[in-house]
Amino acid sequence: DAMVIQNPRYQVTQFGKPVTLSCSQTLNHNVMYWYQQKSSQAPKLLFHYYDKDFNNEADTPDNFQSRRPNTSFCFLDIRSPGLGDAAMYLCATSGLLNTEAFFGQGTRLTVV
Amino acid sequence: GESVGLHLPTLSVQEGDNSIINCAYSNSASDYFIWYKQESGKGPQFIIDIRSNMDKRQGQRVTVLLNKTVKHLSLQIAATQPGDSAVYFCAERVEDSGAGSYQLTFGKGTKLSVIP
Repeated sequence: DAMVIQNPRYQVTQFGKPVTLSCSQTLNHNVMYWYQQKSSQAPKLLFHYYDKDFNNEADTPDNFQSRRPNTSFCFLDIRSPGLGDAAMYLCATSGLLNTEAFFGQGTRLTVV
Repeated sequence: GESVGLHLPTLSVQEGDNSIINCAYSNSASDYFIWYKQESGKGPQFIIDIRSNMDKRQGQRVTVLLNKTVKHLSLQIAATQPGDSAVYFCAERVEDSGAGSYQLTFGKGTKLSVIP
């Protein structure tokens, strides 16, 4: 059974139209990560949560925001998507003592 | 043979041969390392991990070697199979200073192609 679930698997949005990607987990992990992965590149960490504490990477654009209303859910909000934001967005979780990060299947975002 | 593509280096091996995939990591404070396998259109899948106080760890058909002196990791896959074809990433974990949580940062991947 899937433990980290991302919805939707595929998302098409218009240039400049806000979009939200969602992630849920059944592992009760403290840490949740959001990564952006472009074609043939490594996943790039955007930000992560430790419980409710938000940790933003220094080079993550302001256009990207995140919310974590509870342990199970985390959202990635892109306020004004540009063509360069088209990518696969990956959510992952890990426990503080368990070190392995579990990944969802990703949401592929297309901007038209 | 090994070649460097536009973004991802590629390693081509014959089915049944052993594969060695290399990774250089950046942060000497990293305390934990993971190898992930990523198939096209899917999220990364855990393969094997190693803590910084070890230099070798073996799994089923896979071995990870860690050389902290030169900040280098390798993944060895024995008797490579067509199902092993994928992109392989190493990831390093660093504790957020004082925050009690961890960042997990990926290195550049290597695309493994297995020739039947």
